[in-house]
Amino acid sequence: KNEVEQSPQNLTAQEGEFITINCSYSVGISALHWLQQHPGGGIVSLFMLSSGKKKHGRLIATINIQEKHSSLHITASHPRDSAVYICAVGAASGSRLTFGEGTQLTVNP
Amino acid sequence: DAGITQSPRHKVTETGTPVTLRCHQTENHRYMYWYRQDPGHGLRLIHYSYGVKDTDKGEVSDGYSVSRSKTEDFLLTLESATSSQTSVYFCATALSGTDYEQYFGPGTRLTVT
Repeated sequence: KNEVEQSPQNLTAQEGEFITINCSYSVGISALHWLQQHPGGGIVSLFMLSSGKKKHGRLIATINIQEKHSSLHITASHPRDSAVYICAVGAASGSRLTFGEGTQLTVNP
Repeated sequence: DAGITQSPRHKVTETGTPVTLRCHQTENHRYMYWYRQDPGHGLRLIHYSYGVKDTDKGEVSDGYSVSRSKTEDFLLTLESATSSQTSVYFCATALSGTDYEQYFGPGTRLTVT
């Protein structure tokens, strides 16, 4: 079993739909990261969180430390949101991240 | 952007040849990382550095070495490239450990024939 599991692996949505991507992990962590990889390959950090909830525009990330689970929500999805979304966790006082395999999101117009 | 560049961006090389990939950053970040990305796998850590001349192995370090002689540069060397090292390589930097956001370079696509 991977330390970081994402679901679903692939997700297709229609423009305007509310989208949820899930991430479960099995180790104690100090922080959880959500990343976005564009179709061209570039990777950008969306969120880093250790508790509660963060919001940036139409994106919302939540984490439940007790349940070892995080969700990334996209409201009013748009075709430009089509990308791979990657969850990664960092162990407490650690130096390295462990990555999930990513969720391929396609939003159709 | 953290001003991270990778060179070369694309390289085709033959089995058995040495290859060096360069990561350069302008943000004075202490931590630097080399990852590889392959279909069916998440990003996997090859090596990382937590300061000048301070490096450590990641989960897939066999066949790779690194060097960091100054803060801004982190070099990844494949001593004798093999076809299994065909991959996309990403460099990332962070101000400190995993409690800090990581900034990624654009990637290097390496093909070993």
